[in-house]
Amino acid sequence: GIQVEQSPPDLILQEGANSTLRCNFSDSVNNLQWFHQNPWGQLINLFYIPSGTKQNGRLSATTVATERYSLLYISSSQTTDSGVYFCAAFGSGGYNKLIFGAGTRLAVHP
Amino acid sequence: SAVISQKPSRDICQRGTSLTIQCQVDSQVTMMFWYRQQPGQSLTLIATANQGSEATYESGFVIDKFPISRPNLTFSTLTVSNMSPEDSSIYLCSVDYQPNTEAFFGQGTRLTVV
Repeated sequence: GIQVEQSPPDLILQEGANSTLRCNFSDSVNNLQWFHQNPWGQLINLFYIPSGTKQNGRLSATTVATERYSLLYISSSQTTDSGVYFCAAFGSGGYNKLIFGAGTRLAVHP
Repeated sequence: SAVISQKPSRDICQRGTSLTIQCQVDSQVTMMFWYRQQPGQSLTLIATANQGSEATYESGFVIDKFPISRPNLTFSTLTVSNMSPEDSSIYLCSVDYQPNTEAFFGQGTRLTVV
């Protein structure tokens, strides 16, 4: 089945810094999503982005499906951005199984 | 967006007991999914719940340990049976309103087994 790898595993930032999180996947995908898991465990949808570029405030994401990677950009980071960021993908075989990467644990310090 | 209500939000249970987690969706969906997130780990799919048929379990998960009900198109339950401390995890339900499109998650159930 599809493999999803995220980097870096851990990231520490000062408030106001920018960062880029990467997600590589091993096969073509029908669906690519980015999530933010807050300290209470809730999984927040950030982007549904099988291809192309999207922006939402200080966050943006780009998926290059032909090269099998996606990037999540966080600009002007805030302490509330802390938590774990997951990317997840469905494989292209038509089976509704969302495969998660291991996550990037982000800590933003004031 | 989606409204997925999951309860309880957290619980502390004695080993050997069972806990049933409920997931209610704001509109009808064909498939509902249950995930487990062990401490410090990523999410792993436990099973897919279809209305009117038995749930489909992933490798490493069995019906006796994680029985699932799906009585209608907006509701599902997951039971964690005969619990041990190793079952301490966050359990999340998920739906996608159209197959292979954006998935949405409930707020999760944080289970601690003592």
